[in-house]
Amino acid sequence: DAKTTQPNSMESNEEEPVHLPCNHSTISGTDYIHWYRQLPSQGPEYVIHGLTSNVNNRMASLAIAEDRKSSTLILHRATLRDAAVYYCILIGGANRDDKIIFGKGTRLHILP
Amino acid sequence: NAGVTQTPKFQVLKTGQSMTLQCAQDMNHNSMYWYRQDPGMGLRLIYYSASEGTTDKGEVPNGYNVSRLNKREFSLRLESAAPSQTSVYFCASVGGRVWETQYFGPGTRLLVL
Repeated sequence: DAKTTQPNSMESNEEEPVHLPCNHSTISGTDYIHWYRQLPSQGPEYVIHGLTSNVNNRMASLAIAEDRKSSTLILHRATLRDAAVYYCILIGGANRDDKIIFGKGTRLHILP
Repeated sequence: NAGVTQTPKFQVLKTGQSMTLQCAQDMNHNSMYWYRQDPGMGLRLIYYSASEGTTDKGEVPNGYNVSRLNKREFSLRLESAAPSQTSVYFCASVGGRVWETQYFGPGTRLLVL
């Protein structure tokens, strides 16, 4: 399975932008990049996904490097509610076997 | 539309006891998953089912069995519970296309004494 690497934790101030990085140097041409987040005591929830182009939705933006070996989740204006663990995962690929593997994610702390 | 539901929400077992965790989804999804999450850790895949009638091992299958009863339901069984299986268990489902969103249940907190 293609793997991702994320920092263990990050801190940001409330109402400032947050850039969460993810490296996926072994990504295959047909892998989609998905981001999920897990709020305390809840199951993970979908944030955003993309293939090649940058993506925006009401929750966040996803910036994908031109070589697709890395991506960045951007929260434009962090709030205390955004404190969570953020997971970057790859889904799909030429040898897709329907496994969806989560890593350890990045724990995001928001400072008031 | 309830999404993904799990029962029970919380369970205490003694070492050696057995139990089955239930999961159901009403989104007509093909694929279903069981993950476990230990305190302060990420999710680890136990088993998954790509379609009705098929199941496959994930990262940490030892000590567990699964049944994909029909398209809606995917159960996880602990035949002889061990303290190392104390964890929060999440069920998830996803549609058939690689870009589709994975939906998670609320989790089952299991304590094995």
